[in-house]
Amino acid sequence: NAGVMQNPRHLVRRRGQEARLRCSPMKGHSHVYWYRQLPEEGLKFMVYLQKENIIDESGMPKERFSAEFPKEGPSILRIQQVVRGDSAAYFCASSPAIRGGSYEQYFGPGTRLTVT
Amino acid sequence: GESVGLHLPTLSVQEGDNSIINCAYSNSASDYFIWYKQESGKGPQFIIDIRSNMDKRQGQRVTVLLNKTVKHLSLQIAATQPGDSAVYFCAENLASNTGKLIFGQGTTLQVKP
Repeated sequence: NAGVMQNPRHLVRRRGQEARLRCSPMKGHSHVYWYRQLPEEGLKFMVYLQKENIIDESGMPKERFSAEFPKEGPSILRIQQVVRGDSAAYFCASSPAIRGGSYEQYFGPGTRLTVT
Repeated sequence: GESVGLHLPTLSVQEGDNSIINCAYSNSASDYFIWYKQESGKGPQFIIDIRSNMDKRQGQRVTVLLNKTVKHLSLQIAATQPGDSAVYFCAENLASNTGKLIFGQGTTLQVKP
């Protein structure tokens, strides 16, 4: 039973380019979350999606960042016109349908984005 | 504000001893808490969770204690092993939230052989 898959594991982009990060949730999981982690810091929530719906994007920067979780295929976190401050580790987590108020989330290995 | 913090940034213990990692949370409306372990270069790994209607939960070698009166959470690791060396994060979920987790800054656990 494969866990959460993310690719690429490492991504290098020049300032102004676009970054596309992919996440495939665990089998049977319909909820996907994206978090960002700066060095020596905890994870910061960005966005929560279900299939074809954005449920909560309160942690997403207003510009340049977007996320989707289509009916078929992985969830995509897209960063346009990257800047050096976007350099971070981006983690995806998934959970099954929320039941009983438990939000047990399983994380992928992350994508480490470096902007040069 | 919404914040989850840990009392100590680094904890150093001897192999075989018990470890206690603490966490303070500020939002009394939080109803669900999780402890994660993160090794260098990897994603957070689920350890144990607890709902707000409980004050203690045990897993394999780990115990989580929740004190809602003082808004304090702790993770106890019995017979700490070198493989337990990692950064440990507590995370909370607000009852009104959609499931997003609010993470603390993390405590680094160093196990001395």
